[in-house]
Amino acid sequence: AQSVTQPDIHITVSEGASLELRCNYSYGATPYLFWYVQSPGQGLQLLLKYFSGDTLVQGIKGFEAEFKRSQSSFNLRKPSVHWSDAAEYFCAVGDFGNEKLTFGTGTRLTIIP
Amino acid sequence: DVKVTQSSRYLVKRTGEKVFLECVQDMDHENMFWYRQDPGLGLRLIYFSYDVKMKEKGDIPEGYSVSREKKERFSLILESASTNQTSMYLCASNAGPFNQPQHFGDGTRLSIL
Repeated sequence: AQSVTQPDIHITVSEGASLELRCNYSYGATPYLFWYVQSPGQGLQLLLKYFSGDTLVQGIKGFEAEFKRSQSSFNLRKPSVHWSDAAEYFCAVGDFGNEKLTFGTGTRLTIIP
Repeated sequence: DVKVTQSSRYLVKRTGEKVFLECVQDMDHENMFWYRQDPGLGLRLIYFSYDVKMKEKGDIPEGYSVSREKKERFSLILESASTNQTSMYLCASNAGPFNQPQHFGDGTRLSIL
């Protein structure tokens, strides 16, 4: 069965600093991988996705993620965070055989001035 | 832009009541999903539907049922609500197949007293 681990429950970053959120997955074949963001009181919004091809994926709001098969990782990065990036971030893996997504437990990001 | 609308943002019900959570999407998506979100557990799939009148169990279907009589509408039913079903419920939809990104509603925060 597929699984996703987000090892960091909560991360605090200064505004303007760089950010990396970690995601490790377990899946037998090439996975579909996603990052979603959830602002307080809102549903989830897609930041970016990886299906195949180039392992560095660009998303919205200046985010990018890199798929590393050898490390079973799909870490999310941003070179300079803004106060509006404070939110909860979820990594998810999709199963080629059906439409189910398995989500990680999320990482809450706090931005300090 | 895809719109997934959940009928209530907040709902308070009593133990033993039958509870209906409604979700409507406006993009003619084949697939619809119901998740519950709990702190520290991320999103867990309750049920999903890949066509009208079709449904499949997710990871935590116990105590829930669903109905999809029309393509745009997917209802989650708590047959006899219990306090351990107090949670945030999120509906999502996507265009099948092959794990296209899911679009989420803003969620219903359900409290069972």
